[in-house]
Amino acid sequence: NAGVTQTPKFRILKIGQSMTLQCTQDMNHNYMYWYRQDPGMGLKLIYYSVGAGITDKGEVPNGYNVSRSTTEDFPLRLELAAPSQTSVYFCASSYSPGGVDGEQYFGPGTRLTVT
Amino acid sequence: GENVEQHPSTLSVQEGDSAVIKCTYSDSASNYFPWYKQELGKRPQLIIDIRSNVGEKKDQRIAVTLNKTAKHFSLHITETQPEDSAVYFCAETGTASKLTFGTGTRLQVTL
Repeated sequence: NAGVTQTPKFRILKIGQSMTLQCTQDMNHNYMYWYRQDPGMGLKLIYYSVGAGITDKGEVPNGYNVSRSTTEDFPLRLELAAPSQTSVYFCASSYSPGGVDGEQYFGPGTRLTVT
Repeated sequence: GENVEQHPSTLSVQEGDSAVIKCTYSDSASNYFPWYKQELGKRPQLIIDIRSNVGEKKDQRIAVTLNKTAKHFSLHITETQPEDSAVYFCAETGTASKLTFGTGTRLQVTL
């Protein structure tokens, strides 16, 4: 299993540009999550999904959109990029939200800079 | 869960000493408490977790304790080694479909 994969690894965007961060997992997990981590800070939940076709906002959803058309894929869309969106973005997935099989598996991250 | 406080934010110990990181939570429905380790430039990875029906769990040099009455749980690392240097995050969940993470503790193990 490849686990959770993310593309791209790095990206530089100009203010106002848009992009999609890709996330794919091959563990047949229903639960998927997008976090952002600013330098030296903790993890903030952007959006999450409990299964294909279902998404919900996290702590910091403004400026982002997601979709979940398949179990495997959970892309994150940035519209009109702003410098405040400079961060490392982690995608994660889990079989359940907690308890047995509640471990979240993280992807390697996408380092995004908006200038 | 709604809020998780984590202390200390930084911790420096000498190699071989013990390290303790503490988290408090507010949601009485919380029932799952994992700890994640994030090395510099890497992704977070689960190192140990505990469920609400257990008071303590050990895995070699790491242990987690849970006090449901006081709503706090702690990570204990004994005989610390340089490779334990990292940022550690506690988290919790109960009825929600997501984890609430603490703010992280940067552990530095010095020789």
